[in-house]
Amino acid sequence: DVKVTQSSRYLVKRTGEKVFLECVQDMDHENMFWYRQDPGLGLRLIYFSYDVKMKEKGDIPEGYSVSREKKERFSLILESASTNQTSMYLCASSLARDHGYTFGSGTRLTVV
Amino acid sequence: GESVGLHLPTLSVQEGDNSIINCAYSNSASDYFIWYKQESGKGPQFIIDIRSNMDKRQGQRVTVLLNKTVKHLSLQIAATQPGDSAVYFCAEKKDNQGGKLIFGQGTELSVKP
Repeated sequence: DVKVTQSSRYLVKRTGEKVFLECVQDMDHENMFWYRQDPGLGLRLIYFSYDVKMKEKGDIPEGYSVSREKKERFSLILESASTNQTSMYLCASSLARDHGYTFGSGTRLTVV
Repeated sequence: GESVGLHLPTLSVQEGDNSIINCAYSNSASDYFIWYKQESGKGPQFIIDIRSNMDKRQGQRVTVLLNKTVKHLSLQIAATQPGDSAVYFCAEKKDNQGGKLIFGQGTELSVKP
């Protein structure tokens, strides 16, 4: 089975901190995605990547950046964390563009 | 605008009964649909998918039906068990959006013993 691993299940950070959320997949998937999930708003796409060193903005990229230096790793960066970025963050990967996603277990980030 | 929506936000069923979770989509260009299950505190888990050239697909205790005429997708769970309690999301994909999935809001299924 494909495994998508997010490095932290729970994180608490202070306002203004730079935050790194790490995601690693172990099945050589081309595509990787970062979503945030909030009650009543569902899953919203932040950034995605179809190849190494490639990134594209999703629906809500403001306040975030990403890095994909290696195929298996896709990092989400909060340059200066704010309280409105408190959320559940989900990483996903897919083999190709016509395949479904495999999700990680999520990172629940609280910004205080 | 385009959206993938669910008819009901919550669904409560008796253990052993069949469950039907519905989803409406607005774009007839969508060609791939997926159902995910998300248990509390976990990431979404793939259940079953269907492509637009099919009307029905069956898995273990689950069936997905696609009605392209009315742009409707449903997930049927046979003999619902307490372990089926979760939030269920439908998602659609359109080729012209580079393979991105668009998710519905989710339906919370509660199974009563």
